[in-house]
Amino acid sequence: LAKTTQPISMDSYEGQEVNITCSHNNIATNDYITWYQQFPSQGPRFIIQGYKTKVTNEVASLFIPADRKSSTLSLPRVSLSDTAVYYCLVGGGTVGNEKLTFGTGTRLTIIP
Amino acid sequence: NAGVTQTPKFRVLKTGQSMTLLCAQDMNHEYMYWYRQDPGMGLRLIHYSVGEGTTAKGEVPDGYNVSRLKKQNFLLGLESAAPSQTSVYFCASSYLGPGRLANTGELFFGEGSRLTVL
Repeated sequence: LAKTTQPISMDSYEGQEVNITCSHNNIATNDYITWYQQFPSQGPRFIIQGYKTKVTNEVASLFIPADRKSSTLSLPRVSLSDTAVYYCLVGGGTVGNEKLTFGTGTRLTIIP
Repeated sequence: NAGVTQTPKFRVLKTGQSMTLLCAQDMNHEYMYWYRQDPGMGLRLIHYSVGEGTTAKGEVPDGYNVSRLKKQNFLLGLESAAPSQTSVYFCASSYLGPGRLANTGELFFGEGSRLTVL
């Protein structure tokens, strides 16, 4: 049973806000929700992490509803350099829950 | 700090040969992971370690062995390489979170090791 489900791909125009949603219906009480960005030929890079409600940093916002069964990564005013694959990761937070597995990710393409 | 360093970055093997990939981290992290990523695909967990001297199986452990003799190093071994093991291998490390009981899922990745098995 997949821990996370994301759209396979998304397209957006430069300057728009992009929202990528991840479903994690079986999230455990102590699981964190973490998003990563990966460019071709590079390792994934941490973007943002949250547990509940809303988290914002200098590059993105993360919205988590009360039931925590989904989360939405929001990228404001995207540019061509935001073209990448974005992964949602659910896990951690508890001893014995260190087996961190990734889903298929969302390939985001920014159009000029 | 160098972060997470993987050695070698590129390697070509013949079927049946053996090799070891080295991952070194200088952040004093407790947790270390090995993933593989096939072209156009996502990351799959091979093995991981929750501390020095420990190892555990991930999603695709067959054909690989690992060791964590020192906290800062996590070695991935291929005893008899097969063409199906052609992939990019990523190492990652993670720290103890609040309460120092478990990690939080924030992973620090290396730049990858590209392995081709002919």
